[in-house]
Amino acid sequence: AQKITQTQPGMFVQEKEAVTLDCTYDTSDPSYGLFWYKQPSSGEMIFLIYQGSYDQQNATEGRYSLNFQKARKSANLVISASQLGDSAMYFCAMRELNTGGFKTIFGAGTRLFVKA
Amino acid sequence: KAGVTQTPRYLIKTRGQQVTLSCSPISGHRSVSWYQQTPGQGLQFLFEYFSETQRNKGNFPGRFSGRQFSNSRSEMNVSTLELGDSALYLCASSPKIPGQGAWTLNTEAFFGQGTRLTVV
Repeated sequence: AQKITQTQPGMFVQEKEAVTLDCTYDTSDPSYGLFWYKQPSSGEMIFLIYQGSYDQQNATEGRYSLNFQKARKSANLVISASQLGDSAMYFCAMRELNTGGFKTIFGAGTRLFVKA
Repeated sequence: KAGVTQTPRYLIKTRGQQVTLSCSPISGHRSVSWYQQTPGQGLQFLFEYFSETQRNKGNFPGRFSGRQFSNSRSEMNVSTLELGDSALYLCASSPKIPGQGAWTLNTEAFFGQGTRLTVV
């Protein structure tokens, strides 16, 4: 069964520093996609970055990059130059091709606190 | 372009009652998914609809049901509410037709702000 594990319930980072949020996953489907979402206190889930299981290069989107280690089933999110507005919950998520449709499984999340 | 709209934003119901939540997807999006978010269980997939048909369903009791209308708007219903149903219910819409193909993996889901349901 597919599963997402985020082992860091909370993380602190100093403003302007980089931070890595951990995510490991488990799936038997060779074709899958990995996502990171940000959820501010307003509740809305904001898409940050995507990595496909067959992508050769790590995904990057502005200050966000995904450190994809397929053999270790790891998909860590790296946020560079943290900003106060980055304080939020961050969710790692996965979608399997064999499931069909858009069913997405989420991890428990990591709450990030950015200190001024 | 308007985002995903969920109504109402907040709701208080009594145990045993039923509730209907509404989700209007982004214009042109035909796939709608629902999720329940609680502090204890996190984000859990409820169900997904495309063209008025349920495509996937999560592990929730039959008290949870949904439907999608021809204009892609979706509703979810919870009957015989229990205290444990208190949660943030999130709706997400996606722009592409679901099916077998790698493109379904990287299609972004756009979320609404959710409906916070409190059962007392």
